[in-house]
Amino acid sequence: QVQLQQWGAGLLKPSETLSLTCTVYGGSFSDYYWSWIRQPPGQGLEWIGEINHSGSTNYNPSLMSRVTISLDTSKNRISLKLSSLTAADTAVYYCARENRGFFFDSWGQGTLVTVSS
Amino acid sequence: HSVLTQPPSASGTPGGRVTISCSGSRSNIGSNKENWYQQLPGTAPKLLIYLNNQRPSGVPDRFSGSKSGTSASLAISGLQSEDEADYYCAAWDDSLNGWVFGGGTKLTVL
Repeated sequence: QVQLQQWGAGLLKPSETLSLTCTVYGGSFSDYYWSWIRQPPGQGLEWIGEINHSGSTNYNPSLMSRVTISLDTSKNRISLKLSSLTAADTAVYYCARENRGFFFDSWGQGTLVTVSS
Repeated sequence: HSVLTQPPSASGTPGGRVTISCSGSRSNIGSNKENWYQQLPGTAPKLLIYLNNQRPSGVPDRFSGSKSGTSASLAISGLQSEDEADYYCAAWDDSLNGWVFGGGTKLTVL
């Protein structure tokens, strides 16, 4: 049974950089893609980007200039960095295991990130 | 503004049936498998339907999915109070080379 556990700073100021980490417990790390998805308060889901075990990434064009997704295969960890934050980046951020192009079958617990001065 | 279009709300009575629609385009639902997620308040989304009409272990067969062209639907029969949740459709989009989601539908069981 795979579990995704995520953590990171929850309160940031405008212009700062968000940094979140997601550790994968159980299951195969290399057979899947790993995505980050966010959800602003009271709103829907937005895909941020994905990475595979080789480090190949793919980002949402609307966020591409500010996003970096990386991984540490030795620790089964995926990381997200989002720079130049504004209040519009306030959201719950989720990591998720992706059967590439087909579905997300496991999700982290979510991390609320608030951007406020 | 979401790429996939869902009604913002839906409702039904206990024991009844409700259908939630998801409208897309040729580059997403028209070309790829859509999937559905259930999100209970304060929790992460949970995979409900994948590969058009497959259910993960533990999801009751009261939930079913279908697709026609560039639109998909989620049907829930035998409605129960615990089905009250937000439901999202999603699909890979070949034009964007990424995932797109619907705006979500809030289901109320009256």
